[in-house]
Amino acid sequence: ETGVTQSPTHLIKTRGQQVTLRCSSQSGHNTVSWYQQALGQGPQFIFQYYREEENGRGNFPPRFSGLQFPNYSSELNVNALELDDSALYLCASSSLMGGNKETQYFGPGTRLLVL
Amino acid sequence: DAKTTQPPSMDCAEGRAANLPCNHSTISGNEYVYWYRQIHSQGPQYIIHGLKNNETNEMASLIITEDRKSSTLILPHATLRDTAVYYCIVPSGTYKYIFGTGTRLKVLA
Repeated sequence: ETGVTQSPTHLIKTRGQQVTLRCSSQSGHNTVSWYQQALGQGPQFIFQYYREEENGRGNFPPRFSGLQFPNYSSELNVNALELDDSALYLCASSSLMGGNKETQYFGPGTRLLVL
Repeated sequence: DAKTTQPPSMDCAEGRAANLPCNHSTISGNEYVYWYRQIHSQGPQYIIHGLKNNETNEMASLIITEDRKSSTLILPHATLRDTAVYYCIVPSGTYKYIFGTGTRLKVLA
């Protein structure tokens, strides 16, 4: 069974640029959630995708957007990068069926540094 | 805001049981309690979850009080590799994990 994978592992961007982060969900999972973790803090929920549609969103501005593909992999896009976007970005996959909660399994994360 | 509160840090001697408490006084009847840990800013690792009854797996045991307002994660024989930040989570709705600050467990040789 393949776990959750994320790419790239590290990334450096400058203010104002755009970035795309990628996540491959665990085999058999149909749902992907994205989290942002600033240094020294717990992860903060950004949004979740289920069946290629956004299924819930945290307190993040519209410049944070996402996609889910038919194979359930997902992308997180951040436009107009700000210094405060520097963080570890985590992807978690789960199997959402019938509205029941299922355990989320996390990938290793992508560390983004905005200069 | 997180639905859970945890002590910010704990120490445990290697080989001894580590007991990590969590308060979730506003938990609803059908909400589960999940535990994860995070080592050196890697992705959080799932440990265990439960609803009412005590649960045990190869990693840990979870003891939930009868009123469900608190729980304790037990690592029966802590090793140095168990040093991590431990998060207790009560998911919001069907999808949203709200992480608090967690408990930083240090296992001492």
